[in-house]
Amino acid sequence: GENVEQHPSTLSVQEGDSAVIKCTYSDSASNYFPWYKQELGKGPQLIIDIRSNVGEKKDQRIAVTLNKTAKHFSLHITETQPEDSAVYFCAAKYTNAGKSTFGDGTTLTVKP
Amino acid sequence: GAVVSQHPSWVICKSGTSVKIECRSLDFQATTMFWYRQFPKQSLMLMATSNEGSKATYEQGVEKDKFLINHASLTLSTLTVTSAHPEDSSFYICSALLRETQYFGPGTRLLVL
Repeated sequence: GENVEQHPSTLSVQEGDSAVIKCTYSDSASNYFPWYKQELGKGPQLIIDIRSNVGEKKDQRIAVTLNKTAKHFSLHITETQPEDSAVYFCAAKYTNAGKSTFGDGTTLTVKP
Repeated sequence: GAVVSQHPSWVICKSGTSVKIECRSLDFQATTMFWYRQFPKQSLMLMATSNEGSKATYEQGVEKDKFLINHASLTLSTLTVTSAHPEDSSFYICSALLRETQYFGPGTRLLVL
């Protein structure tokens, strides 16, 4: 089955700096890669996703890049703000599969 | 769009009682829903996959008689924790599948005394 590894497990940055979280996956058939943000005491919320037919996708301050050959994808957050502090999860799946396989999460702390 | 709700948001119960948690997809129909358990500062642990009109598929190590799942309609799945014990205390989160994307509910915090 699919295996997703996520790094780092914790990340602390100064407000205004950029943050990068990386994930690798094992199953070359995976073609859909969502990212979720989970604030304390809440459920994960989808923030951005990418499909294997593109290499990069941006949405304001967040972007995701995908390298299919190396089987890794990354979340980039620019101009970080304290409200970006949360746990971020990456996931991978094959489109027609049911469940996604999740990474273990990255706790991002943005210091004001 | 793609809103998932859970009820209740938190529940406290006595050991030995049963607790039912509801998961609803509010603006879409979901043939497939998932139930997760999450311990503090830990990742999402998939408990089971529920498909409307059929029996749920449980992950290895999850007791199906302990955690009863029913998915009787395209917008509602329920998780019943039977004969709850303090070790069942946790944060339970459901998610509903819309096309290829899982959308999560806000979670239910269960405390068993």
